[in-house]
Amino acid sequence: GQQVMQIPQYQHVQEGEDFTTYCNSSTTLSNIQWYKQRPGGHPVFLIQLVKSGEVKKQKRLTFQFGEAKKNSSLHITATQTTDVGTYFCASGTSYGKLTFGQGTILTVHP
Amino acid sequence: DAGITQSPRHKVTETGTPVTLRCHQTENHRYMYWYRQDPGHGLRLIHYSYGVKDTDKGEVSDGYSVSRSKTEDFLLTLESATSSQTSVYFCAISESGLTDTQYFGPGTRLTVL
Repeated sequence: GQQVMQIPQYQHVQEGEDFTTYCNSSTTLSNIQWYKQRPGGHPVFLIQLVKSGEVKKQKRLTFQFGEAKKNSSLHITATQTTDVGTYFCASGTSYGKLTFGQGTILTVHP
Repeated sequence: DAGITQSPRHKVTETGTPVTLRCHQTENHRYMYWYRQDPGHGLRLIHYSYGVKDTDKGEVSDGYSVSRSKTEDFLLTLESATSSQTSVYFCAISESGLTDTQYFGPGTRLTVL
């Protein structure tokens, strides 16, 4: 089945530093979704990308979908302590089934 | 937050016992999903439903069964719980599937001793 690899598994940053997490697939993806999960919480939808080369921004967060639709990235500029959590990418297929990456756990030191 | 509740929120059980987890939604969404979350594995799909009485297997369905007799309820049953099924279980809902946002419930932490 479809697999989505996500790196890094962990990222520790100082507040104010930038952060990037990457997702890669060996197959072409129809779409990529990004979710954030706060410690002890549930995944919360951030954004969806569907077009080749698509770039979307949400305040300090920038999401990209690769030209070949096989990779995606999430970049956070000037991290804040409120950015702490696990960030997941997920690829959607028929019936809305999601295949998740392993997630990147972000720790922000004040 | 979308109207999704899961019960129980925490459960400790013994190996070999059956366990049923319940997901209840008030959004009238057609699609419902059960995932499990384990460290290093992200979330993995167990079963999903695309309508009342319409269900299918996901990536890790062995040892699990589901039922959906009403739009609002999706039940996950562990037929004979094993220690490898110790996990956090999340229910999710989606209005139209494929390119649609999924809304997750608060999760159920299950421990099988």
